[in-house]
Amino acid sequence: GESVGLHLPTLSVQEGDNSIINCAYSNSASDYFIWYKQESGKGPQFIIDIRSNMDKRQGQRVTVLLNKTVKHLSLQIAATQPGDSAVYFCAENLNTDKLIFGTGTRLQVFP
Amino acid sequence: KAGVTQTPRYLIKTRGQQVTLSCSPISGHRSVSWYQQTPGQGLQFLFEYFSETQRNKGNFPGRFSGRQFSNSRSEMNVSTLELGDSALYLCASRSGPGRNNSPLHFGNGTRLTVT
Repeated sequence: GESVGLHLPTLSVQEGDNSIINCAYSNSASDYFIWYKQESGKGPQFIIDIRSNMDKRQGQRVTVLLNKTVKHLSLQIAATQPGDSAVYFCAENLNTDKLIFGTGTRLQVFP
Repeated sequence: KAGVTQTPRYLIKTRGQQVTLSCSPISGHRSVSWYQQTPGQGLQFLFEYFSETQRNKGNFPGRFSGRQFSNSRSEMNVSTLELGDSALYLCASRSGPGRNNSPLHFGNGTRLTVT
């Protein structure tokens, strides 16, 4: 279904630690997934994407894992930095051109 | 390359008025989408345009409309504004429709406040 975000879950990590942000997607027919980062006052910024024929994809300091069996997506950020503080959204794509966004997770990085 | 540009950044309107928001996509991108972002409902798809044609429409009332010009620039219009229309309106562009094209890249949005 469509995203509903009344309360934003928060993940607090110490600078230098690894972060794992999780997302449960809604439709088993979704075949394309994207992670976005949104900083205050800005629009969502593309981080990394993955197609359903893969279960892992790596970028610079980020890794996305896809588990289609349980409809779960995760974003791992290595050596988290203060600049990583933001709200992170996962999005899924069905056979249309619209994205269905998750509720978002706020990542707070402490020194 | 310049990113997606949205104007204005902030807008205050009163109930019953109408508003037009503007979006210039990334150069070379021909597909433009609009999303509404609110604290309560999160990011919700409004519509997508390609080659001046609306390809998909989200679950919003007919007061919400849009169009795309031949240079790929897009506008969205909201008529008879309601308090619940207060939101961040985000425009996103990509090279073309379909998931085999580049992912959506978003602008910084227009913050609309309806009083």
